[in-house]
Amino acid sequence: GENVEQHPSTLSVQEGDSAVIKCTYSDSASNYFPWYKQELGKRPQLIIDIRSNVGEKKDQRIAVTLNKTAKHFSLHITETQPEDSAVYFCAASSGPGGGNKLTFGTGTQLKVEL
Amino acid sequence: DGGITQSPKYLFRKEGQNVTLSCEQNLNHDAMYWYRQDPGQGLRLIYYSQIVNDFQKGDIAEGYSVSREKKESFPLTVTSAQKNPTAFYLCASRGTSGGAGEQFFGPGTRLTVL
Repeated sequence: GENVEQHPSTLSVQEGDSAVIKCTYSDSASNYFPWYKQELGKRPQLIIDIRSNVGEKKDQRIAVTLNKTAKHFSLHITETQPEDSAVYFCAASSGPGGGNKLTFGTGTQLKVEL
Repeated sequence: DGGITQSPKYLFRKEGQNVTLSCEQNLNHDAMYWYRQDPGQGLRLIYYSQIVNDFQKGDIAEGYSVSREKKESFPLTVTSAQKNPTAFYLCASRGTSGGAGEQFFGPGTRLTVL
């Protein structure tokens, strides 16, 4: 089955700096890669996603890059703000043949310090 | 945050008891999922259903059971066979037919075994 590894587990940055979170996946058939943000005690919410036919996607201060050859994808947050503090999860989808299941990474606790 | 609801928000269970967690969605989504989240860990898939009257085991199905009699509902039963059931349980649904797409999460149920 799919295996997703996520690094780092914790990340502390100064407000205004950039943050980068990296994930690797094992199944070359995976074709959809979402990123979720989860605040303490709340539900995960999608912040950005990318499909395997695209190498990069950007939405304001958030961007995701995908390298299919190396099987890794990354989340980039620029100009970080205190409200960006949360746990971020990457995931990879198995595609229709696998029920479009999501396999999640173990999460990155991002802390943006003033 | 409407569309997918879970109840109760908090649930306490004595050892040896079965409990059922509710998940309802009015998004007309075909696929529904149950995840378990433990502190400092990612989301792990328990069961999923791509269509009414059909469901498949996820990565950690032992000690759990589900049913999918209606499109809107996907209840999860935590049985006494689950040795360590204390966790945060998240239900999700996905509507993109035929391909990968965003999973929308419910607010979660926090289960504690006394």
